[in-house]
Amino acid sequence: DTGVSQNPRHKITKRGQNVTFRCDPISEHNRLYWYRQTLGQGPEFLTYFQNEAQLEKSRLLSDRFSAERPKGSFSTLEIQRTEQGDSAMYLCASSIGGSNEQFFGPGTRLTVL
Amino acid sequence: AQSVSQHNHHVILSEAASLELGCNYSYGGTVNLFWYVQYPGQHLQLLLKYFSGDPLVKGIKGFEAEFIKSKFSFNLRKPSVQWSDTAEYFCAVNRRRDDKIIFGKGTRLHILP
Repeated sequence: DTGVSQNPRHKITKRGQNVTFRCDPISEHNRLYWYRQTLGQGPEFLTYFQNEAQLEKSRLLSDRFSAERPKGSFSTLEIQRTEQGDSAMYLCASSIGGSNEQFFGPGTRLTVL
Repeated sequence: AQSVSQHNHHVILSEAASLELGCNYSYGGTVNLFWYVQYPGQHLQLLLKYFSGDPLVKGIKGFEAEFIKSKFSFNLRKPSVQWSDTAEYFCAVNRRRDDKIIFGKGTRLHILP
């Protein structure tokens, strides 16, 4: 499968624990985006990268959230000290710069107990 | 701030009925417009997009959308729906190529066989 992949697909954690998600974009896609989707809502932008540079972060991305893309390929999204309000589907998308067409992965569903 | 409003949260139609899903956006400048679809158990995928040119855009699976700048609208249409069109549909916008995408809350479409 040459699409965007995300791991894990599901994560259940206890409040206060740290979690890390991984996104592998489509090969040669230099842009990578993270979105969050809660029940009954559309995806909401969190942050995006061009190669390894993080270009924009949403105000939704509190200081408990950090994202990296160290070599301009895969990306990780870490949430520290998880809260119940962090429960959501975390979506990753990638695109080729200039195309303005984002391809989405299957998402990681986080449940915080 | 940009926002996208989808008129209907849940639509139920019988097969062969015509479909129109409403979408309005708030931003007054140049925008790029999208409709994404999420079939049950699958990830978000692009249905169609408008960047410039002919305001009537044709997408996959017989869908089309019309951009009406004066009404800030980008409604999705299909003349005759099929049971396989059961899915959630998201209208979305961005201001510049490769920028973050702002999504509406989505419309759940249920087609009765």
